[in-house]
Amino acid sequence: GAVVSQHPSWVICKSGTSVKIECRSLDFQATTMFWYRQFPKQSLMLMATSNEGSKATYEQGVEKDKFLINHASLTLSTLTVTSAHPEDSSFYICSANRQGGTYEQYFGPGTRLTVT
Amino acid sequence: GQSLEQPSEVTAVEGAIVQINCTYQTSGFYGLSWYQQHDGGAPTFLSYNGLDGLEETGRFSSFLSRSDSYGYLLLQELQMKDSASYFCAVPQGGKLIFGQGTELSVKP
Repeated sequence: GAVVSQHPSWVICKSGTSVKIECRSLDFQATTMFWYRQFPKQSLMLMATSNEGSKATYEQGVEKDKFLINHASLTLSTLTVTSAHPEDSSFYICSANRQGGTYEQYFGPGTRLTVT
Repeated sequence: GQSLEQPSEVTAVEGAIVQINCTYQTSGFYGLSWYQQHDGGAPTFLSYNGLDGLEETGRFSSFLSRSDSYGYLLLQELQMKDSASYFCAVPQGGKLIFGQGTELSVKP
């Protein structure tokens, strides 16, 4: 099956700093990638849709200036959490669909962010 | 808007059969997907129903009834490794909307 990687798998940072998370499609090209956050025992909440070569589309209530998304190539999307606060601590997961079938997403292993 | 309803928890024993239901209300419907997520891991795709009826993949089957806005995931011959969260999801406007998830616990 298709492989999506994320880096780092976990990160601890201090309040006020910024953290960048990378999402890569390893064996296919992805013009669209998705970023989710997930709290313990809860569902995946879509944050934004990352579009290669254009601006990301953010879901309602997600601060675009806080969660910066860049999709610079067909295999790489990055999420930068700027001026992180403890409430940003969460599990961040990216996904991509391989051949336009939105119903079948390939997910990265996730990044656990802890802000102290 | 859209909503997907699933039971929050289900418990079953090894070797048993369990059914996880999902009812949905969406503005425009194309099909229903199911995902499995082990604790701390990534969601993995299990199945998709674009048409009414039953889709079978090994021990797992998924069913859809558009007229009832309802689907289910059926897991047979349960194994301990099936303990995980299961999410139904619908594609909407080029993105995937997830239900709240059902935590399945398989007991010996």
